Amino acid sequence: VQLVESGGGLVQPGGSLRLSCAASGFTFSGYWMSWVRQSPGKGLEWVANIKQDGTEEYYVDSVKGRFTISRDNAKNSLFLQMNSLRGEDTAVYFCASQGGVVNTPCDYWGQGTLVTVSS
Amino acid sequence: DIVMTQSPDALAVSLGERATINCKSSQSILYSSINRSYLAWYQHKPGQPPKLLINWASIRESGVPDRFSGSGSGTDFTLTISSLQAEDVAVYYCQQYYKTPPYSFGQGTKVDIK
Repeated sequence: VQLVESGGGLVQPGGSLRLSCAASGFTFSGYWMSWVRQSPGKGLEWVANIKQDGTEEYYVDSVKGRFTISRDNAKNSLFLQMNSLRGEDTAVYFCASQGGVVNTPCDYWGQGTLVTVSS
Repeated sequence: DIVMTQSPDALAVSLGERATINCKSSQSILYSSINRSYLAWYQHKPGQPPKLLINWASIRESGVPDRFSGSGSGTDFTLTISSLQAEDVAVYYCQQYYKTPPYSFGQGTKVDIK
């Protein structure tokens, strides 16, 4: 199993960024997928997850209405569109796979991509 | 939303000694019909992604050394490292994945060598 995130970088407050996660080594379309972040010096925070077929999505309250999770099963890819970014969104963002149902832990993780929101 | 609280925030243990981390959920995460608690433990080392150690509160993932064990049910859970090794220095997190998201983590417990 391999998960490789990309798309992080420096963005100004109010700006947008789109993160990608390329999956390989497993049947991507068979699993729920999540994004988890870690702000500098802080703990892990679950951000969002999406069902296998993209018909269900869930978000932590702090990103609702600003972030959108999506996936392309044909390309084995997971995405996180982040709009109206704030300083508190600065974090390493990890892509993670879950099980076949929503209430399962994150069993495989990528290395993460750093998002810095600053003027 | 369910709040997860770990204790202590940090601990230092001598090599070969026992380390114990506690995790408490703000409501029960036990699915009584199958008698399973929806609780995972992760190990996170600097510069690496988190690693799933235990799920369903007590089931060790494949390849995880048996010095790691999880226990508890309902709202109170424990991760025990029976004989601390140097490679166990890390931050440990509990996470609940009960019913529908959000799936909150505890604040983390930093384990170090005394």
